[in-house]
Amino acid sequence: DTGVSQDPRHKITKRGQNVTFRCDPISEHNRLYWYRQTLGQGPEFLTYFQNEAQLEKSRLLSDRFSAERPKGSFSTLEIQRTEQGDSAMYLCASSQTWGNTDTQYFGPGTRLTVL
Amino acid sequence: GQNIDQPTEMTATEGAIVQINCTYQTSGFNGLFWYQQHAGEAPTFLSYNVLDGLEEKGRFSSFLSRSKGYSYLLLKELQMKDSASYLCAGPSGTYKYIFGTGTRLKVLA
Repeated sequence: DTGVSQDPRHKITKRGQNVTFRCDPISEHNRLYWYRQTLGQGPEFLTYFQNEAQLEKSRLLSDRFSAERPKGSFSTLEIQRTEQGDSAMYLCASSQTWGNTDTQYFGPGTRLTVL
Repeated sequence: GQNIDQPTEMTATEGAIVQINCTYQTSGFNGLFWYQQHAGEAPTFLSYNVLDGLEEKGRFSSFLSRSKGYSYLLLKELQMKDSASYLCAGPSGTYKYIFGTGTRLKVLA
């Protein structure tokens, strides 16, 4: 399978705990995005990496959220001191720019439930 | 402001044609995307328009008018499996993309 993969697919945690999600993009893609999606809404942008550099971060992202892409390949998203409002689907997408095109391909997502 | 608007729900009959509209106000325009998302699954890429006009891809076509900030997705010969949410997305600034809330399409037999 050469698509975007995410791990875990589901995570249930108690409020106050830390969680970390992993995303493995399509191997030749240099761009990586994290999104959050709640029921009935479209994906909401969280952050963007070009290779290992984090170039954009949503103002909606509190200090409890941090993302890394240490070698420009896989990425991790960590949420510290989780809150019930963090319950959502966390989606990763990758892309590679060809001219003006930046088509993003999504992974299956990690569904987080905070109890 | 930066905003994407699309209808919340649409219903159509199997075999029919349906048009899903999207209007946008985004900065740094660099193409408009359409994605399909089945319940509980990740979005999958359908189409990309950067120039005005119609792009046809099998049963699906997408249209863009940059001067009007308007796009639509046209689905022909509807099948039951086309029941899904259809997301319109566009750039907001250099690196950020915003998505509409999605249009939930129900295809009835």
